[in-house]
Amino acid sequence: KAGVTQTPRYLIKTRGQQVTLSCSPISGHRSVSWYQQTPGQGLQFLFEYFSETQRNKGNFPGRFSGRQFSNSRSEMNVSTLELGDSALYLCASSSDGGNNYGYTFGSGTRLTVV
Amino acid sequence: QKEVEQNSGPLSVPEGAIASLNCTYSDRVSQSFFWYRQYSGKSPELIMSIYSNGDKEDGRFTAQLNKASQYVSLLIRDSQPSDSATYLCAVNRQGAQKLVFGQGTRLTINP
Repeated sequence: KAGVTQTPRYLIKTRGQQVTLSCSPISGHRSVSWYQQTPGQGLQFLFEYFSETQRNKGNFPGRFSGRQFSNSRSEMNVSTLELGDSALYLCASSSDGGNNYGYTFGSGTRLTVV
Repeated sequence: QKEVEQNSGPLSVPEGAIASLNCTYSDRVSQSFFWYRQYSGKSPELIMSIYSNGDKEDGRFTAQLNKASQYVSLLIRDSQPSDSATYLCAVNRQGAQKLVFGQGTRLTINP
């Protein structure tokens, strides 16, 4: 069974640009979440989607957005990049929103903003 | 007060000994508790989940939950050098659809 697939693995962007990250969940998983990981703040929740609906959103500015498609694949977008957006962005999928079976993480996209 | 707190370590344990990792949480309505292992440069990997008070064992790993004390722990028996990693405690409130993570404990197993 294929795991959670994230693309691209690495990205270097310039301040002010925008970026789109992609995530394909485990087959059959309809819940997809996004997390940001930095050395200072650790793992922080961005948002969660289930059947194309955003059910929960973390405390991030509106520059961070996401969406989910009918095949459960998800994308997140960051506009007007800032240096502080440099982080590892992790996508995770679950069959039940993490209540009973937890989340399985992808390998992540490492974003560097210069 | 942070929602989920862990001792950041580093925690150093000799090979073959028991490593004990601790986590406290502040939200009393938390219902699902997870331990993730993260090797340097890799993504978190789920190793244990626990939902009710008591102990849950899986191989060399034992998770312990005490909801009255708002405390979760992970024991690793017969520690191996390959267990050297950062261990993340995560908590989920029923219906919240999000995990709240602690800062992680860096564990080093010394041969």
